[in-house]
Amino acid sequence: DAKTTQPNSMESNEEEPVHLPCNHSTISGTDYIHWYRQLPSQGPEYVIHGLTSNVNNRMASLAIAEDRKSSTLILHRATLRDAAVYYCILGIAYSGAGSYQLTFGKGTKLSVIP
Amino acid sequence: NAGVMQNPRHLVRRRGQEARLRCSPMKGHSHVYWYRQLPEEGLKFMVYLQKENIIDESGMPKERFSAEFPKEGPSILRIQQVVRGDSAAYFCASSPPGGAGEFFGPGTRLTVL
Repeated sequence: DAKTTQPNSMESNEEEPVHLPCNHSTISGTDYIHWYRQLPSQGPEYVIHGLTSNVNNRMASLAIAEDRKSSTLILHRATLRDAAVYYCILGIAYSGAGSYQLTFGKGTKLSVIP
Repeated sequence: NAGVMQNPRHLVRRRGQEARLRCSPMKGHSHVYWYRQLPEEGLKFMVYLQKENIIDESGMPKERFSAEFPKEGPSILRIQQVVRGDSAAYFCASSPPGGAGEFFGPGTRLTVL
């Protein structure tokens, strides 16, 4: 099984950028890199996903290393509402369906300091 | 647009009873996924369904658990003869045809007494 390694926890000051790292050295050519986050007592929330190229959306940016063995989720300006557990996941694509089997690890608990 | 809806939000059962968890996907979503989260742990994939079909049930326990997604109505996760170890948060997610991320519901927290 493809797996990811993330720091257990990180801290950031409010309104500063946050770089959340993820290592996935056993990634295969067809694995997509997904990021989700989960606030306490809530369901996970999709953040972003990508395959090879860097990706941007309104929530965050995803920087993928050239060899794809690591990636970084970038929150450009952390707010208190960004405090959550962030999961980096290698999604195994279901053939032809555009959907993925996601295996969640323990994630990184991000604390945002006012 | 309403998000993914799950009910009940909290469910208490005694050992040996049945638990039925319901999930209504987002409008236009035809793919449904069920996950289980034990306290202080990450989510574990259980099953992936499309309308009237189970696509992947590799994460489902072999006994007592079943899932369906009928042509009409919500997806149902059914747990027969519940045991204390079934106490967990059960999350449902849905995605549209073609993917673009899974959208999760608020979860059902099952407590087995």
